[in-house]
Amino acid sequence: DGGITQSPKYLFRKEGQNVTLSCEQNLNHDAMYWYRQDPGQGLRLIYYSQIVNDFQKGDIAEGYSVSREKKESFPLTVTSAQKNPTAFYLCASSPQRERNEQYFGPGTRLTVT
Amino acid sequence: SQKIEQNSEALNIQEGKTATLTCNYTNYSPAYLQWYRQDPGRGPVFLLLIRENEKEKRKERLKVTFDTTLKQSLFHITASQPADSATYLCALSRGGYNKLIFGAGTRLAVHP
Repeated sequence: DGGITQSPKYLFRKEGQNVTLSCEQNLNHDAMYWYRQDPGQGLRLIYYSQIVNDFQKGDIAEGYSVSREKKESFPLTVTSAQKNPTAFYLCASSPQRERNEQYFGPGTRLTVT
Repeated sequence: SQKIEQNSEALNIQEGKTATLTCNYTNYSPAYLQWYRQDPGRGPVFLLLIRENEKEKRKERLKVTFDTTLKQSLFHITASQPADSATYLCALSRGGYNKLIFGAGTRLAVHP
């Protein structure tokens, strides 16, 4: 059963704590992405990775960190430096193709209080 | 900076009619325009992609047009069904691993 998995679906944390969101894919895609979605706004790119052991900042990288040690995995850490971390987080991947259509996971809803 | 505009108001239509959603953009020259469907609480699902040199693309009941002069794409769902109710997102890219730029989406509600 191929696809992208994200866990957990819902996550609750206290302010000041770091939290790591999981993203795994078995589609053999080279590129992976992390987005944040807030109500009434488009998806905003946090980080992306085109190849193992390499990643680039997106538009809103401050307060977040990532790693890409394996092709299948691209975890996102939301640090205490992120001022407004409560949001819906989406992971995506795309094949090594010009078209760059993306395949999304089911998302993780993070609530920080 | 680049901007994508989709109608923020929900589109309500009757079952069987054609739904037409609009995506306008400024300050950008995309090579590709994509449409995604998103259901509440779930990740977007890729539907269609159209290239800058294509005027129209069809897939089953879906049709996308792309006018680079008007900087606009129209997304049509013919013979709409209540199951088509969702939010539809448009996204632009210059291709390769250049990032996708997403609009905020338009919610479609198809009533029986």
